[in-house]
Amino acid sequence: EAQVTQNPRYLITVTGKKLTVTCSQNMNHEYMSWYRQDPGLGLRQIYYSMNVEVTDKGDVPEGYKVSRKEKRNFPLILESPSPNQTSLYFCASSPRFGGAGTEAFFGQGTRLTVV
Amino acid sequence: QQQVKQSPQSLIVQKGGISIINCAYENTAFDYFPWYQQFPGKGPALLIAIRPDVSEKKEGRFTISFNKSAKQFSLHIMDSQPGDSATYFCAASGSSGNTGKLIFGQGTTLQVKP
Repeated sequence: EAQVTQNPRYLITVTGKKLTVTCSQNMNHEYMSWYRQDPGLGLRQIYYSMNVEVTDKGDVPEGYKVSRKEKRNFPLILESPSPNQTSLYFCASSPRFGGAGTEAFFGQGTRLTVV
Repeated sequence: QQQVKQSPQSLIVQKGGISIINCAYENTAFDYFPWYQQFPGKGPALLIAIRPDVSEKKEGRFTISFNKSAKQFSLHIMDSQPGDSATYFCAASGSSGNTGKLIFGQGTTLQVKP
């Protein structure tokens, strides 16, 4: 089954404690991205990757890091989480970047709470 | 220029009614306009999409209307059902340069009352 898998689904952590949210896709997609979803703000892109070892900032990259060492995996790293990073996070993958046919496949989401 | 503005933020419709969600964009380089549907506890999933060379696309009870000159597009859900209750996101992207990434609207939470 084609899917994007995120882990964990729920996470409560304390301010400053480094954490990683994993994302894996089995569709051989080149393009992957991370979004955060906040009420009234929609889906905002954090980082994206157009291929292995190619990553770039999205609209809200501050406080986040990513890596793309393998095509299928795209982990999101919060080195020193703060309460304003409490949010619902989604990983997504697409077969290509831009234009028609760029259907984004989303993971189930990770609900992160930073206290 | 990269923004997509979506309204309303929330919508309550009676079963059998028509739900209408509107979006506006600024960048004329956008050439792909999808709508995503998100149920509670799930990630968004593609519902329907349109290219700017057509003014309307219909799939079952879901229709996208597109007005290129006004830079607006809308989702119409005919005969709305309680199972349509979800959050809907419009989005836009282009085919070249820095317009390739999907830009999402703010989302609309739809509740269809039985």
